[in-house]
Amino acid sequence: DTGVSQNPRHKITKRGQNVTFRCDPISEHNRLYWYRQTLGQGPEFLTYFQNEAQLEKSRLLSDRFSAERPKGSFSTLEIQRTEQGDSAMYLCASSPIGPKIVQYFGPGTRLTVT
Amino acid sequence: SQQGEEDPQALSIQEGENATMNCSYKTSINNLQWYRQNSGRGLVHLILIRSNEREKHSGRLRVTLDTSKKSSSLLITASRAADTASYFCATDLTQGGSEKLVFGKGTKLTVNP
Repeated sequence: DTGVSQNPRHKITKRGQNVTFRCDPISEHNRLYWYRQTLGQGPEFLTYFQNEAQLEKSRLLSDRFSAERPKGSFSTLEIQRTEQGDSAMYLCASSPIGPKIVQYFGPGTRLTVT
Repeated sequence: SQQGEEDPQALSIQEGENATMNCSYKTSINNLQWYRQNSGRGLVHLILIRSNEREKHSGRLRVTLDTSKKSSSLLITASRAADTASYFCATDLTQGGSEKLVFGKGTKLTVNP
């Protein structure tokens, strides 16, 4: 399977704990995106990488959130000191360099903070 | 904040009927896309229409775009039970060279067999 993969698929954590999610994009894609989706809403943009450079961050990405893409391949999203409001689906997407901006999404990581 | 608003929020039809979903957005765009999401899963790209296009077809899908009204519609013809999903419009904006997509809240489509 050469699609975008995300791990874990589900994560349950207690408030105050740190969590880390991983995204493996489609191998030839330079661009990588993170989105957050809460129940009944569309995805909301969090951050964007081109290769290893983080080029855009949303105001939604508070100082408790950090994302990396150290070698321009996989990416990690870490949430420190989780809060109940962080409960959501975290979606990763990738796209190749080019004029079209079609994004290919992974299955998501569902986070539940208790 | 979300750019688009889909209408209706939910739609229930019988298999074989056509389904029409509408999307309105607020600011100038480069392209508008429609994505589908099955329950609890990732999004799948359906179709992209550029700001200088008015209509586009792909299989049973027909998308229209009216930039003067800042609106788009997605028509699914001869619907099937497998079309049951949430449908989102997404725009990429002309301002600032941003790469992000801005999604609406989606229309939840149920196709009854």
